Amino acid sequence: GIQVEQSPPDLILQEGANSTLRCNFSDSVNNLQWFHQNPWGQLINLFYIPSGTKQNGRLSATTVATERYSLLYISSSQTTDSGVYFCAVSTSGTYKYIFGTGTRLKVLA
Amino acid sequence: KAGVTQTPRYLIKTRGQQVTLSCSPISGHRSVSWYQQTPGQGLQFLFEYFSETQRNKGNFPGRFSGRQFSNSRSEMNVSTLELGDSALYLCASSPPGLAGGYNEQFFGPGTRLTVL
Repeated sequence: GIQVEQSPPDLILQEGANSTLRCNFSDSVNNLQWFHQNPWGQLINLFYIPSGTKQNGRLSATTVATERYSLLYISSSQTTDSGVYFCAVSTSGTYKYIFGTGTRLKVLA
Repeated sequence: KAGVTQTPRYLIKTRGQQVTLSCSPISGHRSVSWYQQTPGQGLQFLFEYFSETQRNKGNFPGRFSGRQFSNSRSEMNVSTLELGDSALYLCASSPPGLAGGYNEQFFGPGTRLTVL
């Protein structure tokens, strides 16, 4: 089955710094999402981005489907950005998402 | 529009018991998926239902089962609980896509199950 790798596994930043999280996947996908999991376990949708580029405030994402990777950019990070970021992908006809192992982000005040 | 709801939010059971978890999708969503999250295995797919039909099942033992009702609400059941079943169980719903396709998922808050 498809493999999803996220890097880096852990990231510590000072408030105000920028960061880039990467998601590599081993096969063609027709769905790709980025999530932020808060300390209570809730998965919060950041982007649905099977291809192209999207921006939402300080966050933006780019998926290059032909090269099988996606990037999540966080600019001017805040302590509330702390948590685990997951990339999840789905291939045609499988009706399931495969999650990466996540990037654990800690933003220091 | 209300989000995905899951009940109960927390549950404590003992080994050998069984448990039923419930999920109500976002209004209009017909696809419901279930995932198990543990520290060791991460987020793993359990099963997906669409219009009361299971379209896919993950690699879990037969003790894990689910169903979907005509109103799209879904339940999952775990029989003969084991210590390793302690996990956060997450439910997600997905809006109708092209030809019943599968697209963006929206997650509920989860049910945290502890097996003693």
